Amino acid sequence: AQTVTQSQPEMSVQEAETVTLSCTYDTSESDYYLFWYKQPPSRQMILVIRQEAYKQQNATENRFSVNFQKAAKSFSLKISDSQLGDAAMYFCAYRSAIAGNTPLVFGKGTRLSVIA
Amino acid sequence: GAVVSQHPSWVICKSGTSVKIECRSLDFQATTMFWYRQFPKQSLMLMATSNEGSKATYEQGVEKDKFLINHASLTLSTLTVTSAHPEDSSFYICSARSRLAGAGELFFGEGSRLTVL
Repeated sequence: AQTVTQSQPEMSVQEAETVTLSCTYDTSESDYYLFWYKQPPSRQMILVIRQEAYKQQNATENRFSVNFQKAAKSFSLKISDSQLGDAAMYFCAYRSAIAGNTPLVFGKGTRLSVIA
Repeated sequence: GAVVSQHPSWVICKSGTSVKIECRSLDFQATTMFWYRQFPKQSLMLMATSNEGSKATYEQGVEKDKFLINHASLTLSTLTVTSAHPEDSSFYICSARSRLAGAGELFFGEGSRLTVL
C-alpha cells in the first residue's frame, strides 16, 4: 500500500517570504499522480498543484511550485511571496494511475501560519 | 472546474438516530465517488469507494452496516450513518471522479460536519 509522509506538523513564514513544505511517499508503482491540497478553516479542499509522475518538469502554478524528485520519492511544495491568505492546512496526496477508480492517499498535513 | 455539492453542511442529531449525507456532481458524471472522514486536526481517511451501480468497497475497520453508501446514479451518492453515536461525530467529505477529468484530479464536496449528542 502506498503511504505519504509529511514530517512537518506545523510551519510558519513571514509575509512575503518563501516557505517549503516537505512530503515523501512510498510506492512500488511507476505511474501515479501527486497533489498538494490546501484546507482553510472552512475545510473545503482546494487543489493547489498537481504533478504527473511521468513528467520530469516540475509543476508551477503562480506562486506555488514543486520540487519533484522521483528517485527519492520526494515532492515538496514551495510557496513564494507568502500571503496571509496562504495560512491553512496543507495536505500532500498520492493517487495511483493504475486504474480510474483509485482514491487519494493523504499525508497527515502541515499547518502553515503566515506572520504579518 | 467540476462542482460537487454536499448536503447538509452540518447536522446535529441525537444518539441512535440515522443521518443521510448527499453528494451530487452538478456538471459532470461521477463514475466513482469516494467518502472520507476527518477527525479534528487529523488527515482525511478513506472510508469507502463506490462505483455507480455497484456495491461500495469499504476500507478495513469501517463498518459497512453502519455506514451505508448508495451510488445509484452518475450524479448522486449518499452516505447514511445508521444508529449514530457520539464517536461518529466527525467531518465527512465526498470526492468524485469524472471520466473526463485530466491528470487524475478528483473533485471535493464542501464537507458535512456531523455532531451526535
